[in-house]
Amino acid sequence: NAGVTQTPKFQVLKTGQSMTLQCAQDMNHNSMYWYRQDPGMGLRLIYYSASEGTTDKGEVPNGYNVSRLNKREFSLRLESAAPSQTSVYFCASSEALRPDTQYFGPGTRLTVL
Amino acid sequence: RKEVEQDPGPFNVPEGATVAFNCTYSNSASQSFFWYRQDCRKEPKLLMSVYSSGNEDGRFTAQLNRASQYISLLIRDSKLSDSATYLCVVGYSGSARQLTFGSGTQLTVLP
Repeated sequence: NAGVTQTPKFQVLKTGQSMTLQCAQDMNHNSMYWYRQDPGMGLRLIYYSASEGTTDKGEVPNGYNVSRLNKREFSLRLESAAPSQTSVYFCASSEALRPDTQYFGPGTRLTVL
Repeated sequence: RKEVEQDPGPFNVPEGATVAFNCTYSNSASQSFFWYRQDCRKEPKLLMSVYSSGNEDGRFTAQLNRASQYISLLIRDSKLSDSATYLCVVGYSGSARQLTFGSGTQLTVLP
């Protein structure tokens, strides 16, 4: 039982490049989330998916797109990376009836030059 | 003003000490309250939920004061393994998008 997994662990991009961050969970959770964490700031919600087939914007969605591929997988795409997107990205999941108890993946450290 | 405010620390305490962290939140409609723990360069993990009646889990005690919109975490008999950043988290019960994280309080327990 791996919980929540994320790939890649580290990534360096040049401004304007695109990439997709992958996330998968094996806990049969309905809800999945993408956060970013910057120094001195709390985790901020980028997008979430309350259930398979639905996605909604969070606090900081600009510059990102998401896909809920199936119940297990939720990907985050940066179409044209900017230095302001340098951050640590965490994926999380939760049971539908307990959305405030979330289980996090190990994170992806992204640097945009 | 941040929705959830914490003293960033760092708190450096000797092993065996008692240490307390405080957190205030601005949204009076918040319904759920938690402390998460985040080790250096790791993901956050739920430490404990916080209830109005207060709750205890071993050496950890959490308290909520709704009137003052204040949450606390007390760690007794600190261990080296308690060194981490402690995140105060508030949310609307049942709402996926309304979980708000504080920026965390860093604790280092010294031998």
